[in-house]
Amino acid sequence: DAKTTQPNSMESNEEEPVHLPCNHSTISGTDYIHWYRQLPSQGPEYVIHGLTSNVNNRMASLAIAEDRKSSTLILHRATLRDAAVYYCILRSRDYGGSQGNLIFGKGTKLSVKP
Amino acid sequence: SAVISQKPSRDICQRGTSLTIQCQVDSQVTMMFWYRQQPGQSLTLIATANQGSEATYESGFVIDKFPISRPNLTFSTLTVSNMSPEDSSIYLCSVRRGPSETQYFGPGTRLLVL
Repeated sequence: DAKTTQPNSMESNEEEPVHLPCNHSTISGTDYIHWYRQLPSQGPEYVIHGLTSNVNNRMASLAIAEDRKSSTLILHRATLRDAAVYYCILRSRDYGGSQGNLIFGKGTKLSVKP
Repeated sequence: SAVISQKPSRDICQRGTSLTIQCQVDSQVTMMFWYRQQPGQSLTLIATANQGSEATYESGFVIDKFPISRPNLTFSTLTVSNMSPEDSSIYLCSVRRGPSETQYFGPGTRLLVL
Protein backbone atom coordinates (compact mmCIF):
# COMPACT_ATOMS: atom_id res chain seq x y z
CA ASP A 1 0.00 0.00 0.00
CA ALA A 2 1.19 3.49 -0.79
CA LYS A 3 2.02 5.29 2.43
CA THR A 4 1.58 8.81 3.68
CA THR A 5 3.66 10.84 6.10
CA GLN A 6 2.11 13.47 8.35
CA PRO A 7 3.39 15.48 11.32
CA ASN A 8 2.32 13.93 14.61
CA SER A 9 0.78 17.13 15.92
CA MET A 10 0.08 20.75 15.06
CA GLU A 11 -1.29 23.74 16.91
CA SER A 12 -3.44 26.55 15.65
CA ASN A 13 -5.19 29.58 17.02
CA GLU A 14 -8.91 29.93 16.70
CA GLU A 15 -10.09 31.94 13.70
CA GLU A 16 -6.76 31.47 11.88
CA PRO A 17 -6.11 29.31 8.81
CA VAL A 18 -4.52 25.91 9.25
CA HIS A 19 -2.41 24.08 6.69
CA LEU A 20 -2.04 20.37 7.35
CA PRO A 21 0.67 18.78 5.18
CA CYS A 22 0.86 15.24 3.86
CA ASN A 23 3.67 13.59 1.91
CA HIS A 24 2.90 10.67 -0.38
CA SER A 25 5.94 10.28 -2.60
CA THR A 26 5.02 6.73 -3.71
CA ILE A 27 1.51 7.62 -4.87
CA SER A 28 0.36 5.81 -7.98
CA GLY A 29 -1.55 7.30 -10.87
CA THR A 30 -4.76 5.62 -9.77
CA ASP A 31 -4.66 6.78 -6.14
CA TYR A 32 -7.03 9.39 -4.83
CA ILE A 33 -5.96 11.51 -1.85
CA HIS A 34 -8.56 11.33 0.90
CA TRP A 35 -8.74 13.22 4.17
CA TYR A 36 -10.74 12.09 7.15
CA ARG A 37 -10.82 13.47 10.66
CA GLN A 38 -11.71 11.96 13.99
CA LEU A 39 -13.15 14.23 16.63
CA PRO A 40 -12.69 13.13 20.26
CA SER A 41 -14.84 10.12 21.17
CA GLN A 42 -16.31 9.84 17.68
CA GLY A 43 -15.81 7.74 14.58
CA PRO A 44 -13.87 9.24 11.67
CA GLU A 45 -15.69 11.53 9.28
CA TYR A 46 -14.98 12.32 5.65
CA VAL A 47 -13.48 15.73 4.94
CA ILE A 48 -12.45 15.92 1.30
CA HIS A 49 -10.74 14.04 -1.50
CA GLY A 50 -9.07 14.77 -4.82
CA LEU A 51 -7.02 13.29 -7.62
CA THR A 52 -5.02 16.03 -9.36
CA SER A 53 -6.81 19.35 -9.15
CA ASN A 54 -7.33 21.43 -6.03
CA VAL A 55 -10.71 20.84 -4.41
CA ASN A 56 -12.95 22.94 -2.23
CA ASN A 57 -15.98 22.05 -0.15
CA ARG A 58 -17.81 23.53 2.80
CA MET A 59 -15.42 21.98 5.28
CA ALA A 60 -12.00 22.56 3.76
CA SER A 61 -9.80 22.94 0.71
CA LEU A 62 -7.34 20.43 -0.64
CA ALA A 63 -4.24 21.65 -2.44
CA ILE A 64 -2.41 18.96 -4.43
CA ALA A 65 1.14 19.44 -5.65
CA GLU A 66 1.69 19.28 -9.38
CA ASP A 67 3.72 16.06 -9.06
CA ARG A 68 1.09 14.68 -6.64
CA LYS A 69 3.77 13.70 -4.16
CA SER A 70 2.34 15.93 -1.48
CA SER A 71 -0.88 17.65 -0.55
CA THR A 72 -2.16 20.13 2.00
CA LEU A 73 -5.49 20.23 3.76
CA ILE A 74 -6.51 23.80 4.43
CA LEU A 75 -8.98 24.84 7.10
CA HIS A 76 -9.67 28.46 6.32
CA ARG A 77 -10.72 29.55 9.82
CA ALA A 78 -10.06 27.07 12.57
CA THR A 79 -12.66 26.71 15.28
CA LEU A 80 -12.45 24.84 18.57
CA ARG A 81 -14.61 22.14 16.98
CA ASP A 82 -11.89 21.47 14.42
CA ALA A 83 -9.64 19.99 17.11
CA ALA A 84 -9.26 16.41 15.92
CA VAL A 85 -6.90 13.85 14.43
CA TYR A 86 -6.64 14.38 10.67
CA TYR A 87 -5.83 11.41 8.49
CA CYS A 88 -4.40 11.66 4.98
CA ILE A 89 -5.13 8.40 3.14
CA LEU A 90 -4.38 7.18 -0.36
CA ARG A 91 -7.21 5.20 -1.87
CA SER A 92 -7.23 3.33 -5.15
CA ARG A 93 -9.49 4.67 -7.86
CA ASP A 94 -10.77 1.12 -8.17
CA TYR A 95 -13.20 1.23 -5.29
CA GLY A 96 -14.37 -2.31 -5.76
CA GLY A 97 -13.22 -4.91 -3.30
CA SER A 98 -10.22 -4.54 -1.05
CA GLN A 99 -8.42 -2.07 -3.27
CA GLY A 100 -10.76 0.64 -2.05
CA ASN A 101 -10.19 -0.10 1.62
CA LEU A 102 -9.14 2.81 3.79
CA ILE A 103 -5.80 2.18 5.49
CA PHE A 104 -5.32 4.62 8.35
CA GLY A 105 -1.93 5.93 9.44
CA LYS A 106 -1.27 7.79 12.67
CA GLY A 107 -2.56 11.12 11.39
CA THR A 108 -1.95 14.64 12.70
CA LYS A 109 -3.46 15.68 15.99
CA LEU A 110 -4.62 19.27 15.60
CA SER A 111 -5.05 21.40 18.70
CA VAL A 112 -6.91 24.71 18.44
CA LYS A 113 -6.28 27.39 21.04
CA PRO A 114 -8.93 29.99 21.85
CA SER B 1 -24.35 10.73 4.20
CA ALA B 2 -25.16 7.60 6.17
CA VAL B 3 -26.67 7.14 9.59
CA ILE B 4 -25.01 4.29 11.44
CA SER B 5 -25.85 3.13 14.92
CA GLN B 6 -24.00 0.66 17.08
CA LYS B 7 -25.02 -1.29 20.15
CA PRO B 8 -23.81 -1.34 22.81
CA SER B 9 -22.06 2.01 22.93
CA ARG B 10 -19.76 0.71 25.63
CA ASP B 11 -19.32 -2.36 27.80
CA ILE B 12 -17.09 -3.79 30.49
CA CYS B 13 -16.57 -7.53 30.18
CA GLN B 14 -14.75 -10.28 31.99
CA ARG B 15 -11.96 -12.17 30.30
CA GLY B 16 -12.99 -15.40 28.66
CA THR B 17 -16.45 -14.15 27.76
CA SER B 18 -17.75 -13.02 24.37
CA LEU B 19 -19.50 -9.83 23.26
CA THR B 20 -21.59 -9.28 20.16
CA ILE B 21 -21.67 -5.78 18.70
CA GLN B 22 -24.52 -4.75 16.44
CA CYS B 23 -24.36 -2.29 13.56
CA GLN B 24 -27.46 -0.87 11.89
CA VAL B 25 -27.41 1.34 8.77
CA ASP B 26 -30.23 3.62 7.65
CA SER B 27 -30.37 2.15 4.14
CA GLN B 28 -29.09 -0.80 2.16
CA VAL B 29 -25.38 -1.13 1.48
CA THR B 30 -23.40 -3.84 -0.24
CA MET B 31 -20.32 -3.86 1.95
CA MET B 32 -19.93 -3.25 5.66
CA PHE B 33 -16.58 -2.91 7.37
CA TRP B 34 -15.41 -3.53 10.91
CA TYR B 35 -12.45 -1.64 12.35
CA ARG B 36 -10.64 -1.77 15.67
CA GLN B 37 -8.98 1.17 17.37
CA GLN B 38 -6.75 0.21 20.25
CA PRO B 39 -6.08 2.80 22.97
CA GLY B 40 -4.08 5.71 21.58
CA GLN B 41 -3.75 4.06 18.19
CA SER B 42 -5.15 4.51 14.71
CA LEU B 43 -7.84 2.39 13.10
CA THR B 44 -7.14 -1.11 11.82
CA LEU B 45 -9.47 -2.92 9.43
CA ILE B 46 -10.64 -6.25 10.85
CA ALA B 47 -12.86 -7.56 8.07
CA THR B 48 -15.26 -6.77 5.26
CA ALA B 49 -18.76 -8.22 5.39
CA ASN B 50 -20.85 -8.78 2.28
CA GLN B 51 -24.42 -9.94 2.51
CA GLY B 52 -24.80 -13.58 1.55
CA SER B 53 -21.14 -14.51 1.69
CA GLU B 54 -18.39 -15.17 4.19
CA ALA B 55 -16.61 -12.15 5.60
CA THR B 56 -13.13 -11.37 4.31
CA TYR B 57 -10.61 -10.98 7.13
CA GLU B 58 -7.45 -8.90 7.09
CA SER B 59 -4.09 -10.30 8.05
CA GLY B 60 -3.89 -10.92 11.77
CA PHE B 61 -7.63 -11.39 12.27
CA VAL B 62 -9.41 -14.76 12.19
CA ILE B 63 -13.00 -15.85 12.03
CA ASP B 64 -12.82 -17.90 15.23
CA LYS B 65 -11.88 -14.81 17.22
CA PHE B 66 -14.05 -12.27 15.38
CA PRO B 67 -17.05 -14.04 13.82
CA ILE B 68 -19.19 -11.73 11.72
CA SER B 69 -22.77 -12.05 10.57
CA ARG B 70 -24.46 -10.15 7.74
CA PRO B 71 -28.06 -11.31 7.59
CA ASN B 72 -29.32 -8.44 5.42
CA LEU B 73 -28.22 -5.29 3.63
CA THR B 74 -28.68 -2.96 6.62
CA PHE B 75 -27.34 -4.97 9.53
CA SER B 76 -24.18 -6.73 10.71
CA THR B 77 -22.76 -8.09 13.94
CA LEU B 78 -19.19 -8.56 15.11
CA THR B 79 -18.49 -10.92 17.98
CA VAL B 80 -15.33 -10.61 20.03
CA SER B 81 -14.81 -14.14 21.35
CA ASN B 82 -12.95 -15.45 24.38
CA MET B 83 -11.92 -11.95 25.31
CA SER B 84 -8.68 -10.92 26.96
CA PRO B 85 -7.57 -7.48 28.21
CA GLU B 86 -5.73 -7.02 24.89
CA ASP B 87 -9.14 -6.87 23.18
CA SER B 88 -9.93 -3.63 25.01
CA SER B 89 -10.52 -1.26 22.11
CA ILE B 90 -13.07 0.77 20.25
CA TYR B 91 -14.81 -1.27 17.56
CA LEU B 92 -16.25 0.70 14.65
CA CYS B 93 -18.64 -0.22 11.90
CA SER B 94 -18.34 1.49 8.53
CA VAL B 95 -20.09 1.59 5.17
CA ARG B 96 -19.48 3.13 1.75
CA ARG B 97 -22.01 5.21 -0.04
CA GLY B 98 -22.34 7.56 -2.98
CA PRO B 99 -20.70 7.90 -6.40
CA SER B 100 -17.29 8.29 -4.80
CA GLU B 101 -17.90 5.45 -2.35
CA THR B 102 -17.31 7.82 0.55
CA GLN B 103 -16.83 5.88 3.75
CA TYR B 104 -18.96 6.60 6.81
CA PHE B 105 -18.34 5.40 10.33
CA GLY B 106 -20.52 4.56 13.27
CA PRO B 107 -19.91 6.07 16.70
CA GLY B 108 -18.03 3.02 17.90
CA THR B 109 -18.37 0.52 20.73
CA ARG B 110 -15.96 1.04 23.60
CA LEU B 111 -14.96 -2.28 25.09
CA LEU B 112 -13.00 -2.78 28.29
CA VAL B 113 -11.98 -6.30 29.21
CA LEU B 114 -10.97 -6.94 32.80
